[in-house]
Amino acid sequence: ETGVTQSPTHLIKTRGQQVTLRCSSQSGHNTVSWYQQALGQGPQFIFQYYREEENGRGNFPPRFSGLQFPNYSSELNVNALELDDSALYLCASSAGTGRSYNSPLHFGNGTRLTVT
Amino acid sequence: QKEVEQDPGPLSVPEGAIVSLNCTYSNSAFQYFMWYRQYSRKGPELLMYTYSSGNKEDGRFTAQVDKSSKYISLFIRDSQPSDSATYLCAMSAPPGNQFYFGTGTSLTVIP
Repeated sequence: ETGVTQSPTHLIKTRGQQVTLRCSSQSGHNTVSWYQQALGQGPQFIFQYYREEENGRGNFPPRFSGLQFPNYSSELNVNALELDDSALYLCASSAGTGRSYNSPLHFGNGTRLTVT
Repeated sequence: QKEVEQDPGPLSVPEGAIVSLNCTYSNSAFQYFMWYRQYSRKGPELLMYTYSSGNKEDGRFTAQVDKSSKYISLFIRDSQPSDSATYLCAMSAPPGNQFYFGTGTSLTVIP
């Protein structure tokens, strides 16, 4: 069974730039969620994708956007980067039906984004 | 007030000790409770999940949920140095798909 993989592992960007992070879900999982984890904090929900559509969003501005592809892989895009966007970005997959509050999340190892 | 409160520690115990990790929550709609372990520079790893009040055991780990008190716990028996990590509680409520995490408790088990 292949787990969740994320790329790249580390990234350094300048304020105002744009970034794309990638995620391949665990085999058999059709739902992908993205979380932001600031240093010393727990993960914060950004959004979830199910059947290639956004299926729930946390308290993040529209400059955070995403995609899900037919093979269930996903991208997280962040435009107009700000210093506060520096964090570990975690992708998690789960087997759900669109109402996945009771499907445990399986996380990748994250992408560490530093904005200077 | 945060949805989920967790003492960040750090917690330091000798090898073989019983460890108790705790979270409290404010939203009575939470019905699904999870514990994750996160090693440095890694993603969270699912340890246990449970729906109901009471205890659930898996090897050296026991998850306890008290919905009337809005309080959950994770007990680790015979703690090992390899248990040294940050432990995150998480919970969710129907019909949503967002999981709410605590800030994590940093645990060190000293050989």
